[in-house]
Amino acid sequence: ETGVTQSPTHLIKTRGQQVTLRCSSQSGHNTVSWYQQALGQGPQFIFQYYREEENGRGNFPPRFSGLQFPNYSSELNVNALELDDSALYLCASSPKGLLDTQYFGPGTRLTVL
Amino acid sequence: AQKVTQAQTEISVVEKEDVTLDCVYETRDTTYYLFWYKQPPSGELVFLIRRNSFDEQNEISGRYSWNFQKSTSSFNFTITASQVVDSAVYFCALSEAGGGTSYGKLTFGQGTILTVHP
Repeated sequence: ETGVTQSPTHLIKTRGQQVTLRCSSQSGHNTVSWYQQALGQGPQFIFQYYREEENGRGNFPPRFSGLQFPNYSSELNVNALELDDSALYLCASSPKGLLDTQYFGPGTRLTVL
Repeated sequence: AQKVTQAQTEISVVEKEDVTLDCVYETRDTTYYLFWYKQPPSGELVFLIRRNSFDEQNEISGRYSWNFQKSTSSFNFTITASQVVDSAVYFCALSEAGGGTSYGKLTFGQGTILTVHP
């Protein structure tokens, strides 16, 4: 196990609702990244935080937003949910900054009906 | 832009067979990192290996070995004497370190589904 935890494990929402996913990074890891993995696809980068500041984002609309807290845990917020947002959301943490190996949590499975 | 291609969508083998998973990448950076991750049915991505672009030495870890060739932009992964527990989806990934907009972000291939039959 990597020590990265995510909650909740599963979530069902309806279109138009908002959702918050949480990630607790491994102790001492100062970088957290979020990825979206649609069924049968490889993970797609959403954004990355380093010491509480966003370090760039992938090709996702502004309704995807995030935070990193002083203890390096993180949240991913998605507003105005769409059916295509149904996916596995993976959080990864790195111990030594942006280029270090990313260790993944178990993910949150989001279903949008 | 960086890109990772895993041409093999699915591979099926019988236990004890050797199997090689192919990975081809594209990047304009001279400094980058390559990774392999394993995703069992539980969903969690398990880190297997990381190599930097300046280290082309092949690596062996137990039944796993990796062949990195910059000349062909490939980073292939071989499992020797496969076991049923090796059944999973395997992802190759690339992270650029040249300071561009993709700095530090992982770009994944589509994954290869490996099924090892008893």
